[in-house]
Amino acid sequence: GNSVTQMEGPVTLSEEAFLTINCTYTATGYPSLFWYVQYPGEGLQLLLKATKADDKGSNKGFEATYRKETTSFHLEKGSVQVSDSAVYFCALRNQAGTALIFGKGTTLSVSS
Amino acid sequence: DADVTQTPRNRITKTGKRIMLECSQTKGHDRMYWYRQDPGLGLRLIYYSFDVKDINKGEISDGYSVSRQAQAKFSLSLESAIPNQTALYFCATSGTSGRKDEQFFGPGTRLTVL
Repeated sequence: GNSVTQMEGPVTLSEEAFLTINCTYTATGYPSLFWYVQYPGEGLQLLLKATKADDKGSNKGFEATYRKETTSFHLEKGSVQVSDSAVYFCALRNQAGTALIFGKGTTLSVSS
Repeated sequence: DADVTQTPRNRITKTGKRIMLECSQTKGHDRMYWYRQDPGLGLRLIYYSFDVKDINKGEISDGYSVSRQAQAKFSLSLESAIPNQTALYFCATSGTSGRKDEQFFGPGTRLTVL
């Protein structure tokens, strides 16, 4: 079946450090891939997405590239800020398009 | 903006009680979803509905039921609450055109079953 595996947290970084959160997936066909972010006390918000192989999603300085050969969609940011502290979820939507399948989430904590 | 609202935001109840969580949306979306979030487990799908006459079970529907009263309203019920249903519950919506891949989430309902 479809599944998403992302690195366990928490990830603790200093401001301006480089961030990578790994995400790999298992799915048949060509799923759409997403990163959602959950700030403290809030619901999830879409951060970025990619719908086909080699697509790069980007938003707010975050990037992720859809790598079909390695079934990965790793999230990166060159210089994190304290305001980036949140829980990040990798997710996929399969071609049947029923609903999203989420990873377990990775907590990022950035200190000044 | 409060396009997807959930009531109540917090609820404490006792084992065996019937509980209803409500979700309303002003986004005009046909598709609505209920998820639960548990620490270390991410979000898991309980039920989803693609229109008023369409209800589907998700990954973890046992112990839950839903009602799609209108396009804008999707309620989740726990007929007889048990402690392991203590969790954070999210409602979400999505459209069928334009940004159809994106799901929009409500702020969540924190439910505690004693």
